[in-house]
Amino acid sequence: DQQVKQNSPSLSVQEGRISILNCDYTNSMFDYFLWYKKYPAEGPTFLISISSIKDKNEDGRFTVFLNKSAKHLSLHIVPSQPGDSAVYFCAASKSGAGSYQLTFGKGTKLSVIP
Amino acid sequence: DVKVTQSSRYLVKRTGEKVFLECVQDMDHENMFWYRQDPGLGLRLIYFSYDVKMKEKGDIPEGYSVSREKKERFSLILESASTNQTSMYLCASRGSGSRSYTFGSGTRLTVV
Repeated sequence: DQQVKQNSPSLSVQEGRISILNCDYTNSMFDYFLWYKKYPAEGPTFLISISSIKDKNEDGRFTVFLNKSAKHLSLHIVPSQPGDSAVYFCAASKSGAGSYQLTFGKGTKLSVIP
Repeated sequence: DVKVTQSSRYLVKRTGEKVFLECVQDMDHENMFWYRQDPGLGLRLIYFSYDVKMKEKGDIPEGYSVSREKKERFSLILESASTNQTSMYLCASRGSGSRSYTFGSGTRLTVV
């Protein structure tokens, strides 16, 4: 059973426009959420995170929104740049026992078109 | 700058070979992880370790084993490599005060 879902395998956006990547989760015990970015032949790198006590976190061009009632989070990239083209993974974790593990979605491949 | 180093970027091995993938971190992290990444399947957890000589199975441990004799090193072992183990293997570590992982650059393993 997939606890973290990224339903869009791919997304294409024009340079300068907004990219919105979506993620849904099913486990109500998740209380911390992260986004990772991965280029081909490289390891994922941490991008931004949000705790369940917040509904928004911003870092430069990147903003993550969390809607706990809908069990949904989204990553907004504004403005999108060609260098943002990568696979983006959503991940979730919970406190307490088992908090060592991140549960990842399957990823969304973002292509930013110049 | 903190680092997770995987010993090989690319490996080609023959079916039936015993394969060792090495991972070293320099951050004194307690927790270390092995994932594999396959197209359309995302990142799947193979094994993890929360302390020296401790190990726990992840979601897909079959065909793999691990070793953690020292805190900084976590090895993934393919006992008898098969073609369905052709994949990108990613090592990660996490410190006790953080909820984020640091990943290595990955090892692209091809089993022929």
